[in-house]
Amino acid sequence: DQQVKQNSPSLSVQEGRISILNCDYTNSMFDYFLWYKKYPAEGPTFLISISSIKDKNEDGRFTVFLNKSAKHLSLHIVPSQPGDSAVYFCAASANWGKLQFGAGTQVVVTP
Amino acid sequence: DGGITQSPKYLFRKEGQNVTLSCEQNLNHDAMYWYRQDPGQGLRLIYYSQIVNDFQKGDIAEGYSVSREKKESFPLTVTSAQKNPTAFYLCASSGLAGAGELFFGEGSRLTVL
Repeated sequence: DQQVKQNSPSLSVQEGRISILNCDYTNSMFDYFLWYKKYPAEGPTFLISISSIKDKNEDGRFTVFLNKSAKHLSLHIVPSQPGDSAVYFCAASANWGKLQFGAGTQVVVTP
Repeated sequence: DGGITQSPKYLFRKEGQNVTLSCEQNLNHDAMYWYRQDPGQGLRLIYYSQIVNDFQKGDIAEGYSVSREKKESFPLTVTSAQKNPTAFYLCASSGLAGAGELFFGEGSRLTVL
């Protein structure tokens, strides 16, 4: 039973435009959400996180939005750059428990 | 530099053989984890350990074994009982007893011939 879902396996965006990655979750006990970025044959690296007490967190070109009532979060990348081409994983945990990961979204930034 | 080191990066195994993947961290983290990545399935937790000499099964522990004799080390053995062992294996650590932010190693790709 997958509690974190990324329904878009891939996303193509032009360089300079906005990338919007979506993530849905089913467990209402989740209180901490993270996004990881992964290049091929490498381990994921932490990108940005948000606590359930917030609805937005921003770090440079990356912003994560959390809509608790909809059990939905999104990652915005503005502007998109070629180096942003990677797989992005959404993850969530409840009460500092184990992280549950989504299946990932492959982002391709085109010139 | 502090980090997590996994070895080997690539490993080939014949069916019926056990193989051990190494994971060492010098971040002084208490918790360590093993994940498996398959295409289209994200990261699935195999085993995790929150303190030395203690570990728990994750979501897909069957066919795997671990040990945690030292804080810095958390080796994973893929046994012959694992029916579909070909995958990309990721080790991670966390500074919190739970999860929080995980730091990942670069991964080990295991291929069964």
